[in-house]
Amino acid sequence: DTGVSQDPRHKITKRGQNVTFRCDPISEHNRLYWYRQTLGQGPEFLTYFQNEAQLEKSRLLSDRFSAERPKGSFSTLEIQRTEQGDSAMYLCASSRTRGKFTDTQYFGPGTRLTVL
Amino acid sequence: AQSVAQPEDQVNVAEGNPLTVKCTYSVSGNPYLFWYVQYPNRGLQFLLKYITGDNLVKGSYGFEAEFNKSQTSFHLKKPSALVSDSALYFCAVRDRGGNKLTFGTGTQLKVEL
Repeated sequence: DTGVSQDPRHKITKRGQNVTFRCDPISEHNRLYWYRQTLGQGPEFLTYFQNEAQLEKSRLLSDRFSAERPKGSFSTLEIQRTEQGDSAMYLCASSRTRGKFTDTQYFGPGTRLTVL
Repeated sequence: AQSVAQPEDQVNVAEGNPLTVKCTYSVSGNPYLFWYVQYPNRGLQFLLKYITGDNLVKGSYGFEAEFNKSQTSFHLKKPSALVSDSALYFCAVRDRGGNKLTFGTGTQLKVEL
């Protein structure tokens, strides 16, 4: 399977702990996106990378959140000092850019975070 | 700012009947429009997209969607529903200069025997 993969699939943590999620995009895709989905809502954009450069961040991405894509391949999303409001599904997507056109975003299975 | 409205939280349809899931959007300029489907505890699976050209777009699993610029709508349709189509469906929009997708709140489709 050459789709987007995410690890772990589920994470339960206590409030105040730090967590880190990993996303591996489709191999030829140069763009990588992070979204957050809470119950009963559609996914909300957090940030995206083109290769290793983080080009846009949402205001939803507080100072406790940091994302990296150090070699332009996989990405990590870290949440420091987790709060119960951080409980959500964290989705990763990837796409490729052809000229000025950015192709379809393909999503991974998500990481479900529960903060107790 | 771009936005998407899915006016129905749930749509119920009998197997074999046609289905429609509604979506309207707001965006500056011409839009890119997408439909995704989500099964329980899974990520989003791409169904189809409108970029330009023919207003009727055909996608995976027999789904199609009709782009209507005057009504700013992009309704998802299927001529004959299957029980296995039961899932959560999301409409999304992206403006041509942007990169992020803006999603609606989703419509739960339930297909019954």
